[in-house]
Amino acid sequence: GAVVSQHPSRVICKSGTSVKIECRSLDFQATTMFWYRQFPKQSLMLMATSNEGSKATYEQGVEKDKFLINHASLTLSTLTVTSAHPEDSSFYICSATPPGGTEAFFGQGTRLTVV
Amino acid sequence: AQSVTQPDIHITVSEGASLELRCNYSYGATPYLFWYVQSPGQGLQLLLKYFSGDTLVQGIKGFEAEFKRSQSSFNLRKPSVHWSDAAEYFCAVGAKGYNKLIFGAGTRLAVHP
Repeated sequence: GAVVSQHPSRVICKSGTSVKIECRSLDFQATTMFWYRQFPKQSLMLMATSNEGSKATYEQGVEKDKFLINHASLTLSTLTVTSAHPEDSSFYICSATPPGGTEAFFGQGTRLTVV
Repeated sequence: AQSVTQPDIHITVSEGASLELRCNYSYGATPYLFWYVQSPGQGLQLLLKYFSGDTLVQGIKGFEAEFKRSQSSFNLRKPSVHWSDAAEYFCAVGAKGYNKLIFGAGTRLAVHP
């Protein structure tokens, strides 16, 4: 199957700093990628749709100025958590579907801890 | 409103026993239904999916699920559970295009030897 890779898998940052998470489609081009957030022992909630070459679409309640998304190429989307605070600590997962595909492939996820 | 309900937060079964994880959905359009499994700290792996046709679908690792439109359900089953099946299971629904999924809260499965 297709491969979606996230980096880093874990990151610890200080409160007030920014953290960038990368999501790459390794063997296919993805004009659209999706970012989800998962709090401990909870389900995945869609945060935003990342669109190659255009602005991301954010779900209701997600702060676009806090969670910056850049989809600069057909294989890479980045999520930057700006001015991170402890409440931003979470598991972030991206997904993408190959062109013509019928399955969303997920990255390994990134565990963000803000101290 | 579009939603997915997984009534069971935790389930514990003995190894070799049968398993059924429940999933009910509410979706305004034709639903595309999925079951994913997540091991601790890992991403999601697709177990199976239903788009149309035969309402009983087979997946990987010996799992199957049955779509029942009248009950808005898509329950996951396995006849004999293995210790390696211990994980978190998520039911999800989406529209054609297969992304932008709505997930249930998940069911954490524990397997006793």
